[in-house]
Amino acid sequence: GAGVSQSPSNKVTEKGKDVELRCDPISGHTALYWYRQSLGQGLEFLIYFQGNSAPDKSGLPSDRFSAERTGGSVSTLTIQRTQQEDSAVYLCASSLAGGRTDTQYFGPGTRLTVL
Amino acid sequence: GENVEQHPSTLSVQEGDSAVIKCTYSDSASNYFPWYKQELGKGPQLIIDIRSNVGEKKDQRIAVTLNKTAKHFSLHITETQPEDSAVYFCAAVSGTYKYIFGTGTRLKVLA
Repeated sequence: GAGVSQSPSNKVTEKGKDVELRCDPISGHTALYWYRQSLGQGLEFLIYFQGNSAPDKSGLPSDRFSAERTGGSVSTLTIQRTQQEDSAVYLCASSLAGGRTDTQYFGPGTRLTVL
Repeated sequence: GENVEQHPSTLSVQEGDSAVIKCTYSDSASNYFPWYKQELGKGPQLIIDIRSNVGEKKDQRIAVTLNKTAKHFSLHITETQPEDSAVYFCAAVSGTYKYIFGTGTRLKVLA
């Protein structure tokens, strides 16, 4: 596709349920990133993929958060046993190769609301 | 750890006036500084970027300046228009890929 796409655009769930968020990066981009944006806040780095590997998971807030990437393309961010503090916009970005000066292109985000 | 401070958090200007947003970074090894614009309900979109070997870059009504000695960089928008209203984020890139974002500036252009 022309840009990074994410689904769903909105997700409302009950506390304790698991959710999966999907990201389709720009075709040919080997690097993929997940960020979290809480209301009125900046972007918090969660995880970085280079191909199917995740060399940096340092931003994942707890072991309830996990992510995978298959075929060097689509990525899924999974949050288990959701908590109200997980409510935020989850943004995915991709870049060509993950280099220092590579531009990251963002998707529209998934707004997660945990009731 | 690495940190980027961004000011102001909110900025209101009259249409046609200029707007300036400033960022300060902590990691002297940073050498790439993108600026993103985020409209309501959308993801951040790159509007301009600058690399450390350049002191200034301009693209129509927007410009970015970089002072590596002081570790400051700024976004300048001239002749502001209502469609410039959005949240703007600066970032500094440390290491091989990690973007460190500022906390954002909500710009309101008053018609």
